[in-house]
Amino acid sequence: GAGVSQSPSNKVTEKGKDVELRCDPISGHTALYWYRQSLGQGLEFLIYFQGNSAPDKSGLPSDRFSAERTGGSVSTLTIQRTQQEDSAVYLCASSPQPGTSGGPQDTQYFGPGTRLTVL
Amino acid sequence: GQSLEQPSEVTAVEGAIVQINCTYQTSGFYGLSWYQQHDGGAPTFLSYNALDGLEETGRFSSFLSRSDSYGYLLLQELQMKDSASYFCAVSSGTGRRALTFGSGTRLQVQP
Repeated sequence: GAGVSQSPSNKVTEKGKDVELRCDPISGHTALYWYRQSLGQGLEFLIYFQGNSAPDKSGLPSDRFSAERTGGSVSTLTIQRTQQEDSAVYLCASSPQPGTSGGPQDTQYFGPGTRLTVL
Repeated sequence: GQSLEQPSEVTAVEGAIVQINCTYQTSGFYGLSWYQQHDGGAPTFLSYNALDGLEETGRFSSFLSRSDSYGYLLLQELQMKDSASYFCAVSSGTGRRALTFGSGTRLQVQP
């Protein structure tokens, strides 16, 4: 079946502009995650959606960042008034279910990412 | 908070065995995962340990010691295609199921 897809694959924008990044998770996956990866670095958690529960926004670096998930499926990450330090690869992942004690069902399936460059 | 430490780089030759260590600090630990990421690619799941011991999947094995907050990824019969970055990640009882990743170990396999 289809994996996680993200669009656009690359985005170049000018400082101060707003950008929207899209994620289509694997069909049927209830959990959706956004991460950010700077060049040569690990993945930084941004936000987590699980079903109809309120999202966990604890990783969002500032109030310029927001995300929503419509209909429990597609998610959009919005960055307002972009800054040069926002330049990174933004990765989306989905997983089948959260599980209660961890385990293979927590395996996260990543999309190819959106490379954002803020000039 | 949560933190993970792993070596930044490891170099090995084809056919060899390499071990990538990971130590972590977290509360409400559930499990330790390993992901592989080739340059320009997305992270892909390799293995998961929730209990102490060794999990084997083909050429790759992963070990966990919960008492030592330590795990490792063992890659055997190294191939050139194994050159990639390897990330350990913890899932913990913080009220969410997102992963906290280490900074990654870049493995370079030489002929």
